[in-house]
Amino acid sequence: AQKVTQAQTEISVVEKEDVTLDCVYETRDTTYYLFWYKQPPSGELVFLIRRNSFDEQNEISGRYSWNFQKSTSSFNFTITASQVVDSAVYFCALLNQGGKLIFGQGTELSVKP
Amino acid sequence: GAGVSQSPSNKVTEKGKDVELRCDPISGHTALYWYRQRLGQGLEFLIYFQGNSAPDKSGLPSDRFSAERTGESVSTLTIQRTQQEDSAVYLCASSSGVRGRTDTQYFGPGTRLTVL
Repeated sequence: AQKVTQAQTEISVVEKEDVTLDCVYETRDTTYYLFWYKQPPSGELVFLIRRNSFDEQNEISGRYSWNFQKSTSSFNFTITASQVVDSAVYFCALLNQGGKLIFGQGTELSVKP
Repeated sequence: GAGVSQSPSNKVTEKGKDVELRCDPISGHTALYWYRQRLGQGLEFLIYFQGNSAPDKSGLPSDRFSAERTGESVSTLTIQRTQQEDSAVYLCASSSGVRGRTDTQYFGPGTRLTVL
């Protein structure tokens, strides 16, 4: 079975705090792809990152960083020095070899000033 | 460049009426997807187009739902005899299609459908 679990339904932090959003996935495929999308209040899903299963290097983009660990089937997302504009629902997703994009339930992040 | 666009942004309809939702993919993208997002939930896959054909319709919830794509561009999702349970945000995504369904999908802003 293919599944993505985002155990944190809601997270609330104060501006400038660091916050980590957890994502755990299940798949039997050897080749797969992992994604994070941001959904601000406007509703549009904004693509943040794509990783393939063969590349376990962590990635940093500005205040965003991603930690991919195949051993624990996790692909966690950290925002450093959070800002109010980071407030959104964040979705982790798994794309399997069959081409189905499977989403987690999302984590709603609220950053308060 | 223009992203994925959808229209209308909001649609309120009465139970039993038919609705049409439109999606304009990113220019040159051959793959197009429809998803449904119920309130507070993740996205459910509905249908996938490669060009004008739909090799995967497995997510369509009932025969009241149908979709078509013409000219390898615009797609229309039609819901006949709408029910209150159809109320949701309908999201469209497109991808280049170069690697089939494994390309990154880029999403539109969605159409919020409310069935009274």
